[in-house]
Amino acid sequence: EIVLTQSPGTLSLSPGERATLSCRASQSVSSSYLAWYQQKPGQAPRLLIYDASNRATGIPDRFSGSRSGTDFTLTISGLEPEDFAVYYCQQYGSSPLWTFGQGTKVEIK
Amino acid sequence: EVQLVESGGGLVQPGRSLRLSCTGSGFVFGDHSVSWVRQAPGKGLEWVGFIKSRPYGGTPEYAASVKGRLTISRDDSTSTAYLQVNSLKTEDTAVYYCARHTEKRFDYWGQGTLVTVSS
Repeated sequence: EIVLTQSPGTLSLSPGERATLSCRASQSVSSSYLAWYQQKPGQAPRLLIYDASNRATGIPDRFSGSRSGTDFTLTISGLEPEDFAVYYCQQYGSSPLWTFGQGTKVEIK
Repeated sequence: EVQLVESGGGLVQPGRSLRLSCTGSGFVFGDHSVSWVRQAPGKGLEWVGFIKSRPYGGTPEYAASVKGRLTISRDDSTSTAYLQVNSLKTEDTAVYYCARHTEKRFDYWGQGTLVTVSS
């Protein structure tokens, strides 16, 4: 089973600052199968990034994704008030077919 | 507009069964696989199973943690997917989401339905 470890658990930042979220896989993950989701309180998750670096439809370009080996990064170039939320990475692999990281909460400092 | 709407949640006693529904609109439901993902109160996301689209066989697959107690099915004539959970346990208490697949990503999600297992 591939385990995704997200860090930090909580990121305290001010609007306008840059957010860098990490997702480390316990073994090799195909870039084609790594996605990032945003979840706000009381809402369903929303797809932000797929295939490690492609923005989903309607996602602002301040959101970007990248990969270095088994490390994946979600960057928010300048936080807007609506970006404060929990972010999850997700991979597709073998049993279980899909796994999520434990989440990173981006909170207002 | 693509929409997914879950229904069927509620309060249920341990050991009982429950069937959740996920109805899609705004797209050709039969062309897409559908996953079920649950989220226990205050916790993260857990994938529990999915059902393939008809072109890929229309068969379900399940996470090992719930295999044997879950049954996922679909009726493309009504654009609906179903999740039946048997022998409910308190640890099954969660919001259950359905999500549409495009390739391997979950591009649209329903709003979720809360299942509370308690005596």
